[in-house]
Amino acid sequence: TQLLEQSPQFLSIQEGENLTVYCNSSSVFSSLQWYRQEPGEGPVLLVTVVTGGEVKKLKRLTFQFGDARKDSSLHITAAQPGDTGLYLCAGEAWNAGNMLTFGGGTRLMVKP
Amino acid sequence: DTGVSQDPRHKITKRGQNVTFRCDPISEHNRLYWYRQTLGQGPEFLTYFQNEAQLEKSRLLSDRFSAERPKGSFSTLEIQRTEQGDSAMYLCASSQGTSGIGKYFGPGTRLTVT
Repeated sequence: TQLLEQSPQFLSIQEGENLTVYCNSSSVFSSLQWYRQEPGEGPVLLVTVVTGGEVKKLKRLTFQFGDARKDSSLHITAAQPGDTGLYLCAGEAWNAGNMLTFGGGTRLMVKP
Repeated sequence: DTGVSQDPRHKITKRGQNVTFRCDPISEHNRLYWYRQTLGQGPEFLTYFQNEAQLEKSRLLSDRFSAERPKGSFSTLEIQRTEQGDSAMYLCASSQGTSGIGKYFGPGTRLTVT
């Protein structure tokens, strides 16, 4: 069974602060995806990283895939209240179905 | 592009009743997935279809659960004899083809079994 552990589980910060969310596993994934989920809604895809060591930037968000393809991080610079939400990492299996294994999520609250 | 849609958005049912949920994927996507998410947890994989063929089922999917995708377009997930432990958000996602392609989720169906 492939497991993904996210840390921290909860994060409450002030507007303007920086933060990093970690996603770790002992398993190797074909790709790693990050999603953001609002209460009562489905997850929304933020980014997919495919190559070991890959770094992708999406405005103030920076995503990194570990060299060994087992871990990933999400860094947010100068957080804003609009960044509040549940951040989920998901590893994609190598099998034909490419099913996702999700981490438990990081609930972020950014206070104005 | 209307995205992935799910119906109903909310369902309250009494224990022992049957319920059916529908998912309409993005039209050109050949893969369709069902996930279940309980409060405070990440989604857990239930089953997936490639076109009309159901190719994988999780051990979470007991014999009370059945899913279909009859023409390779929309899909239904039925739960028979619902139990309180079935209360969760049921999420549908679709994607096109191969690895490294993001999956697009619908808004989910929130099931409450009383």
